Amino acid sequence: DAKTTQPTSMDCAEGRAANLPCNHSTISGNEYVYWYRQIHSQGPQYIIHGLKNNETNEMASLIITEDRKSSTLILPHATLRDTAVYYCIVRVSNDMRFGAGTRLTVKP
Amino acid sequence: DAGITQSPRYKITETGRQVTLMCHQTWSHSYMFWYRQDLGHGLRLIYYSAAADITDKGEVPDGYVVSRSKTENFPLTLESATRSQTSVYFCASRERGVYNEQFFGPGTRLTVL
Repeated sequence: DAKTTQPTSMDCAEGRAANLPCNHSTISGNEYVYWYRQIHSQGPQYIIHGLKNNETNEMASLIITEDRKSSTLILPHATLRDTAVYYCIVRVSNDMRFGAGTRLTVKP
Repeated sequence: DAGITQSPRYKITETGRQVTLMCHQTWSHSYMFWYRQDLGHGLRLIYYSAAADITDKGEVPDGYVVSRSKTENFPLTLESATRSQTSVYFCASRERGVYNEQFFGPGTRLTVL
């Protein structure tokens, strides 16, 4: 599975959009991009995934570049409860490799 | 209650003792997984199971044993616990189909003295 690179930490103002970037320059054609988040010490929570088209659900939007070498998770109106570590993962197999993720802090 | 549960939530044991962490899911998901998470790091896969009686190694399987006699249960055993196995352990499950999302349990915090 391809390796991902994410910023260590980011801040966002409450009510504003949070844009979390992820680089995955070695992604192969059949690998999906997944986003999970982990709030405090809880188990990770699935957010969204996509292959090459942009995706949107009730939690977030996922924008994947045309060359698929990077993507951005967008939380349209961040709240304090969105403070968490966000993991970007690319995979095609059963082995889901979590990196260190991005620690997003939403500030009032 | 429906979902995925882990027990115990907290466990303290001593070096050399055997300890078993339990995982139970009510969705009848085919796949189940065990991860460990060390302080300040992401999750690492220990073992996974595609169905009852089918298990496979993940990234860090040494020192762990798993079994899956029933679809809903996936216990993880540390046969002789070591201090390096102090960690938070998460169980997860998903439907058949590699692109399906995984659902995680609340975790078990294990301390080996």
